[in-house]
Amino acid sequence: AQKITQTQPGMFVQEKEAVTLDCTYDTSDPSYGLFWYKQPSSGEMIFLIYQGSYDQQNATEGRYSLNFQKARKSANLVISASQLGDSAMYFCAMREVNQAGTALIFGKGTTLSVSS
Amino acid sequence: EAGVAQSPRYKIIEKRQSVAFWCNPISGHATLYWYQQILGQGPKLLIQFQNNGVVDDSQLPKDRFSAERLKGVDSTLKIQPAKLEDSAVYLCASSLLPSSGANVLTFGAGSRLTVL
Repeated sequence: AQKITQTQPGMFVQEKEAVTLDCTYDTSDPSYGLFWYKQPSSGEMIFLIYQGSYDQQNATEGRYSLNFQKARKSANLVISASQLGDSAMYFCAMREVNQAGTALIFGKGTTLSVSS
Repeated sequence: EAGVAQSPRYKIIEKRQSVAFWCNPISGHATLYWYQQILGQGPKLLIQFQNNGVVDDSQLPKDRFSAERLKGVDSTLKIQPAKLEDSAVYLCASSLLPSSGANVLTFGAGSRLTVL
């Protein structure tokens, strides 16, 4: 069963505008972590932001914020004031803390294109 | 702090040939992961090491893929014999601790394999 769903294959936004990238997840584990990574055309995965399932506040890191809606099992990434350098692939990922293997499970990604 | 090093960056081989990829994690990182990323998809875990022991290799095609992490530092991923569907980017990642929810994976730049 797919655990991370990213339904937007591509998103387009103009510079300085805000954009929301959608992510829904599925787990029966009450303890889990949600991550967003950015992958530019160079290929390296860059960590952006983390949200724990028990965190009361939505996570923020500079221009990135995570809109965490636990009941809906969604963890959308919001990028404020988009920049040309934000053009990249964005992946939502989840870790189920109580599993023996603690690797991240990734969604299929969303391509973000920022234009001037 | 030096990042995760991977080599080679690019490799082109013919089907049924063999190939090996090398990864040097961040110093002190006990956990090492190998992911396979097929074009247009999110990374998929192949194997996870904790020090020099295997934690999870449930998605590793063991008839052709093998991996080792001698002395709990560097790791090598081998494919023998390669198939066309093995064409992908092989990403190595490392982390300090496996079991913490907020534990962030740091990725290398990846090794791009093309099988002809």
